[in-house]
Amino acid sequence: DAKTTQPPSMDCAEGRAANLPCNHSTISGNEYVYWYRQIHSQGPQYIIHGLKNNETNEMASLIITEDRKSSTLILPHATLRDTAVYYCIVSLNAGGTSYGKLTFGQGTILTVHP
Amino acid sequence: GAGVSQSPSNKVTEKGKDVELRCDPISGHTALYWYRQSLGQGLEFLIYFQGNSAPDKSGLPSDRFSAERTGGSVSTLTIQRTQQEDSAVYLCASSLGLLSSYEQYFGPGTRLTVT
Repeated sequence: DAKTTQPPSMDCAEGRAANLPCNHSTISGNEYVYWYRQIHSQGPQYIIHGLKNNETNEMASLIITEDRKSSTLILPHATLRDTAVYYCIVSLNAGGTSYGKLTFGQGTILTVHP
Repeated sequence: GAGVSQSPSNKVTEKGKDVELRCDPISGHTALYWYRQSLGQGLEFLIYFQGNSAPDKSGLPSDRFSAERTGGSVSTLTIQRTQQEDSAVYLCASSLGLLSSYEQYFGPGTRLTVT
């Protein structure tokens, strides 16, 4: 699986958009970008995933650059409950020996403050 | 509906003892995963099960670790002759299938402390 690089920490004011970047310059054509988050003392929670096109769901938006070498997770109106570690993961969707296995890096600690 | 449950939530054991950790996946989920998270570390994949297929044990750190999944549902992770470096939070996840596009639902974890 391609390696990802994320900033170790970020701050965001409550009510503002949180934009979390992720670099995955070695991503291959059949690898997806996934985002999970882990709130303190809880198990990770799926947020969103995408391949080439931008994606949006009730939690967030995912913007993937045209060359697919980087992406940004956008929380449009961050709340205090969004304070968590956010993981950007690149993984095959099917095939090979790695599909289904998520490789978590260190992630970005997002702190939302009042 | 009910999510993934794990028991016990906390386990303290003495070095050298065996421990069993239990995971109850979401009903109908055919894929089940075990991960562990050591203090200050990211999540480390251990093993997964998919239906009746042979499990992928490639992430197990040593032969002291084993896991089984009975009847395609409940799974037990066993650590024999525990060592202090086994101290971690052990997380279980389940999903509809092995495709990564299937969201993995994680349980709350079991915090294992080996003294």
